[in-house]
Amino acid sequence: AQKITQTQPGMFVQEKEAVTLDCTYDTSDPSYGLFWYKQPSSGEMIFLIYQGSYDQQNATEGRYSLNFQKARKSANLVISASQLGDSAMYFCAMREVDNRLAFGKGNQVVVIP
Amino acid sequence: EAQVTQNPRYLITVTGKKLTVTCSQNMNHEYMSWYRQDPGLGLRQIYYSMNVEVTDKGDVPEGYKVSRKEKRNFPLILESPSPNQTSLYFCASSPSRNSYEQYFGPGTRLTVT
Repeated sequence: AQKITQTQPGMFVQEKEAVTLDCTYDTSDPSYGLFWYKQPSSGEMIFLIYQGSYDQQNATEGRYSLNFQKARKSANLVISASQLGDSAMYFCAMREVDNRLAFGKGNQVVVIP
Repeated sequence: EAQVTQNPRYLITVTGKKLTVTCSQNMNHEYMSWYRQDPGLGLRQIYYSMNVEVTDKGDVPEGYKVSRKEKRNFPLILESPSPNQTSLYFCASSPSRNSYEQYFGPGTRLTVT
């Protein structure tokens, strides 16, 4: 069964607007971690943000914030004030107690001027 | 500079010819892992290692071997490569199993004909 689900098709977003990328996850472990990574066209994987399952506050890192809804098993990424350099593939990932890291299939974002 | 290096970056080989992709990190990280990335499938974990001489299977270990004789190195070995192992491979490391950030290498694009 897929553990991380990212189902949005490719998205176009206007520069300076906010964009929300959906991620739902499936786990029975009480302790887990959720990540978002960015992969630009150059191919490297760039860590963006992390949320622990016991964290009370939603994680934020600059223009990135994670909307963590534990009961719904949802960990959406919000990018505020989009920039042209935000055009990339974005991956949601989860680490469970056994330390395996499972990735979703990704969301393609294109920022248009 | 703190980094994860992989070699080679690009490799074209033939079915059955043994190959090794090297991975090295200079951050004294305990945890290292290998992923493959295929279009539409996201990243899938092949093997991981929580410390020297400790390795475990990820989600897609078939056809691969790893070793962790030294802390800094975690080579990926394909004893008899097949065309279905054509993929983009990433090595990653993190300070410990509980660390929230993983540092990714630049990727190795492998083609098996």
